[in-house]
Amino acid sequence: QSALTQPASVSGSPGQSITISCTGTSSDVGGYNYVSWYQQLPGKAPKLMIYGVSYRPSGVSNRFSGSKSGNTASLTISGLQAEDEADYYCNSYTSSYTYVFGTGTKVTVL
Amino acid sequence: QLQLAESGGGVVQPGRSLRLSCAASGFTFSSHPMHWVRQAPGKGLDWVAVTSSDGSKADYADSVKGRFTISRDNSKSTLYLQMNSLRADDTAVYYCAREGYVPGSSWGFFDYWGQGSLVTVSS
Repeated sequence: QSALTQPASVSGSPGQSITISCTGTSSDVGGYNYVSWYQQLPGKAPKLMIYGVSYRPSGVSNRFSGSKSGNTASLTISGLQAEDEADYYCNSYTSSYTYVFGTGTKVTVL
Repeated sequence: QLQLAESGGGVVQPGRSLRLSCAASGFTFSSHPMHWVRQAPGKGLDWVAVTSSDGSKADYADSVKGRFTISRDNSKSTLYLQMNSLRADDTAVYYCAREGYVPGSSWGFFDYWGQGSLVTVSS
């Protein structure tokens, strides 16, 4: 199972919106609505930000939103803040009854 | 308070074995599938394995299939990962993670994670 494809880095100024893409295939992202997103700060365990493509867990800021079109899922961060600077990973269930993560995206707040 | 605490990591020679444990508390352990996810130094997240809530089913990443075994003891609220024939590229921080579910809505996401246990495979 190959990793889902994410851009290596995305940057934006405070207050701006940025979008991180996550491209897979019809056997994972395109075939199921079981896409989730995780934020990882340096030296910390990942934190769930989005599940089921677009659902936000309790306690996660509404500045984070998710969507999907075909084989590509997206995470949008609106009103970018310094505290959003972190690594972000997507994840999908697959047709092989396994899971696959994305390659990861480093978000930099300029 | 929900907690997942991994233990058992360390330095091991190539070809040897190691068993990781993940002690769970603060939730009904037997109600949730559980996963292992690893992260090599400076690299991305890598899904390793999943076990069903009752331990009757398991699935693995191709990279560990036949070498690693995931299991659980619901009476002890503990998850395990038996790692055999370890290789240098198995060096990573290993996280246990709870699979969340929302009845009638979604599943297949990792809503709680442990702090991780470092496994170093080196001669």
